[in-house]
Amino acid sequence: DTGVSQDPRHKITKRGQNVTFRCDPISEHNRLYWYRQTLGQGPEFLTYFQNEAQLEKSRLLSDRFSAERPKGSFSTLEIQRTEQGDSAMYLCASSLPMGVNEQFFGPGTRLTVL
Amino acid sequence: AQSVTQLGSHVSVSEGALVLLRCNYSSSVPPYLFWYVQYPNQGLQLLLKYTSAATLVKGINGFEAEFKKSETSFHLTKPSAHMSDAAEYFCAVSDSTGFQKLVFGTGTRLLVSP
Repeated sequence: DTGVSQDPRHKITKRGQNVTFRCDPISEHNRLYWYRQTLGQGPEFLTYFQNEAQLEKSRLLSDRFSAERPKGSFSTLEIQRTEQGDSAMYLCASSLPMGVNEQFFGPGTRLTVL
Repeated sequence: AQSVTQLGSHVSVSEGALVLLRCNYSSSVPPYLFWYVQYPNQGLQLLLKYTSAATLVKGINGFEAEFKKSETSFHLTKPSAHMSDAAEYFCAVSDSTGFQKLVFGTGTRLLVSP
């Protein structure tokens, strides 16, 4: 399967702990996006990478959130000192650099903060 | 700024009936428009997209949507609903320039009864 993969699929953590999620995009896609989806809502944009450069960050991405894409391939999203409000589905998407931005989404990582 | 409004958080139809899911957008630049479907515990799957070519767009699984600039609408239709169409549907808009982040609506849950 050459789709977008995310790991882990589910994460349960206690408030105050740090968590890290991984996203592996489709191999030829150099654009990578992170979105967050809370219950009953549509996904909301968090951040965007073109190759290894993080070019855009949403105001939703507080200082406790950091994302990297060190070699322009996989990406990680880390949340420090988790809060209950961080509980959500974290979605990763990738796309080709040119033309229409058809984004392909991974299955998501569901985070539950107790 | 771009935005999407989906009218009706839930739509119920009988199997074999017409499906109509409404989406209105706001954009200060020519938009790209998308419909995605999300099945329980799965990521988003692209149904169809509008990219300024034909205004009537055909997608997968028998769905289609018509771009109406005068009404700023991009409603999703399917002539005959199947039980397997029961899912959450999201309309999204991106601009045709820049890095094209997706702005999603709040979603419409389609319920199909036998």
